[in-house]
Amino acid sequence: EERLVESGGGLIQPGASLRLSCAASGFSISSDEMNWVRQAPGKGLEWISYISSGGSAIYYADSVKGRFTISRDNAKNLLYLQMNSLRGEDTAVYYCARVEWAFDLWGQGTMVTVSS
Amino acid sequence: TQLTQSPSSLSASVGDRVTITCRASQGISNYLAWYQQKPGKAPRLLIYSASTLQSGVPSRFSGSGSGTDFTLTISSLQPEDFATYYCQQLNSYTYIFGQGTKLEIK
Repeated sequence: EERLVESGGGLIQPGASLRLSCAASGFSISSDEMNWVRQAPGKGLEWISYISSGGSAIYYADSVKGRFTISRDNAKNLLYLQMNSLRGEDTAVYYCARVEWAFDLWGQGTMVTVSS
Repeated sequence: TQLTQSPSSLSASVGDRVTITCRASQGISNYLAWYQQKPGKAPRLLIYSASTLQSGVPSRFSGSGSGTDFTLTISSLQPEDFATYYCQQLNSYTYIFGQGTKLEIK
């Protein structure tokens, strides 16, 4: 069974950094384009970052550009999201998702709470 | 490209036919997907390429449209269909979502 499992979330103070991981199992991510999507409590879905299969193409939403960095380790079947200068408005459930024609595989999400 | 869904919320009964609309601020060909999300769960892909049913999704779900105007139709609502639905554009690498439509039981 193909699965994505996020980890690394938690309670973090404003201005601090956090790195999220997304572990794939049941398939190799090396040929897949991957994304991070977040959802603030009670709000809708917000796409925040994309990375191509080899990592050469990367895109960010304006809301996180310059603060967040997406990366991947295909050998370890892992996707990452490095989050710096965190703000209260970054509080959300963070999902990783695979994209082909659409986001066809999602993880269960990891909660990030930014609060003092 | 911005996506505007309507309505934002909808009350309906089991067995009803329901249509949700998604309008793009510029043409996106057929690069549109629909997702279902239940509380505390990750979104589930229903429809991609505007009208292609994802494997395993019941045939009561259908999608149509091209360019700027798209619809998701549920032909006969089942109890498990009460959820929030999102459209998403995949025409460019900023994979914007619509604001969501919450489908509630009447």
